[in-house]
Amino acid sequence: EAGVAQSPRYKIIEKRQSVAFWCNPISGHATLYWYQQILGQGPKLLIQFQNNGVVDDSQLPKDRFSAERLKGVDSTLKIQPAKLEDSAVYLCASSLEASLQETQYFGPGTRLLVL
Amino acid sequence: AQKVTQAQTEISVVEKEDVTLDCVYETRDTTYYLFWYKQPPSGELVFLIRRNSFDEQNEISGRYSWNFQKSTSSFNFTITASQVVDSAVYFCALSADMIKAAGNKLTFGGGTRVLVKP
Repeated sequence: EAGVAQSPRYKIIEKRQSVAFWCNPISGHATLYWYQQILGQGPKLLIQFQNNGVVDDSQLPKDRFSAERLKGVDSTLKIQPAKLEDSAVYLCASSLEASLQETQYFGPGTRLLVL
Repeated sequence: AQKVTQAQTEISVVEKEDVTLDCVYETRDTTYYLFWYKQPPSGELVFLIRRNSFDEQNEISGRYSWNFQKSTSSFNFTITASQVVDSAVYFCALSADMIKAAGNKLTFGGGTRVLVKP
């Protein structure tokens, strides 16, 4: 079974530029998550989708970050404009459904460097 | 509020030594789940184990074992007879939901880097 796919794997941009990341979850997984992992820290949830609806975006900096999951499968996370402090690994995860016991499976992440 | 603390930032051992990673959590929920993930240098988080708050039995899987103690809010992880391939960052995480409609996000600890030297 294919895992969570993400692209690109690496991205270098200058501050104030925009960038977009793509995620394809495990087939059949209704719930999709985007986490931000700053170097030396654990991942922190940015946004959670259940099918194409948002469950939790309380930690998403909405002035510059946006995400969508229009058809309830793939998702895109965008940053516009980027700041230096956005340099991090952006991890996408998916699970069968949004319940406490569901295991979240992670993709390889996108490493973003903002110069 | 939910919180996970991994006090050890880095542990260095020689191959075949045992290594124990500490994890202490905080939550007011009575129902919650604890997880351990491994993050090798490639960056992908690999799921290792899930444990619910009502099951305090220890678990062993090959060279890995887990000790869950509700009384001390700890969920420690031991690697027996470590190998070089065990070198990675290990994260403990908590899934709890004080506000039922707020989703099931994972709250991660800061991670413990394990370096196994040959």
